[in-house]
Parts: sequence; structure tokens; C-alpha cells
Amino acid sequence: DTGVSQDPRHKITKRGQNVTFRCDPISEHNRLYWYRQTLGQGPEFLTYFQNEAQLEKSRLLSDRFSAERPKGSFSTLEIQRTEQGDSAMYLCASRPTTGELFFGEGSRLTVL
Amino acid sequence: DQQVKQNSPSLSVQEGRISILNCDYTNSMFDYFLWYKKYPAEGPTFLISISSIKDKNEDGRFTVFLNKSAKHLSLHIVPSQPGDSAVYFCAASGYNNNDMRFGAGTRLTVKP
Repeated sequence: DTGVSQDPRHKITKRGQNVTFRCDPISEHNRLYWYRQTLGQGPEFLTYFQNEAQLEKSRLLSDRFSAERPKGSFSTLEIQRTEQGDSAMYLCASRPTTGELFFGEGSRLTVL
Repeated sequence: DQQVKQNSPSLSVQEGRISILNCDYTNSMFDYFLWYKKYPAEGPTFLISISSIKDKNEDGRFTVFLNKSAKHLSLHIVPSQPGDSAVYFCAASGYNNNDMRFGAGTRLTVKP
């Protein structure tokens, strides 16, 4: 399978715990994106990498959120001190320089 | 800020008929528009796109129309099939822009 893969697919955690999601993009894609989707809404942009450089962050990405793409390949999204409002589907996508985004299947976070 | 709007949360059509999904945008800098389809528990998958230099793009049963003066695009599916039942997201960006903005989605139900 050469698509975008995300892990874990579902994470249940207690409020206050830290969680980390991993995304492996399509190998030849230099751009990697993180989106968040809540019920009844479309994907909301969180952040974007070109190779290893994080070039843009949404104001939705509070100080508790951090994303990395250390070697320009896979990326991680960490949420510290989770809150119930963080419960959502976290989507990773990649693309070449231009064109459409290719999405993974998402990581669903449930904060109890 | 809702730069991409899908005002119809749901649409129901009979199999074999035409489905028309609508999308409006506010940012005049957008010049690349896409439609994505999403099944439950899966990430969005790319369906069709159009750049601002065109007003129509067709791919099999799917046609996207762009009216730049009205900042409006639509997706036509004809004939509609039960397998088309999904949530459809409209998205927009500048062709080389970093982020892509999504509408809230329209749930299409095609009845046999």
C-alpha cells in the first residue's frame, strides 16, 4: 500500500494525558498537512510542512499542540494535556508541490 | 472564518437522476477548486478538480462547473448511483498555496 498511513486509527485517553499521532505520507510527496475534523464540519487546516520545514500553523494549533517532521518523511502530531474539546478526527494528507491532497484514513481521538 | 461554504447539509436523490451539489467561496485569491468524497471511517478521497482558467471539467459521470463572477461552483453527478452515497466536501486554494480550505460537507443519499 503506497497511500498515506496514520497510526493509531483510534485513541481513547483521559483528560490531561498526552497523545501522539504518526503520519507516513506518500514517499515522493514533499508536502505534508495536518487537519482536524469534528462532527458535521469539514477538515480544518492545522499545519503544513514542506520537507522538514513547518511553514504554516493555524491559530487552531494552540501551545498544547506540536508537530514535527524531523527527516522530511514521516510526521508526528502531539497533543499535551488533552482536553475534551480536542476530541476529533485528525487527518494527515500529503501532496507534491501542487495538485490535490491525498488523505490518510485519520486518527480518531476520544478524550474522556 | 468560513471561506468555503456548503449551505446544504444533505441531499437525497433517486438512482439514475442527477445530483447537484453546490459550494460558494468568499476569497477571490482562490484559483484551484476540488471536490472530495468521504465514506464513514475513511479519509476524504479526491474526486475532481478545476482551475480558475476553466469553467467546466468533466470526468465520467462527474462534472464540476465554476462561476468565478459568482464565486460559486457545483458538482453534477449523472446518473447518480447508490454507491455515490457519501459526504462530499468542496475545497479551495491558490494553486501553489500552502493550505486548502474545506466546506462543511453535503451528505448525499442516492435511493435505489
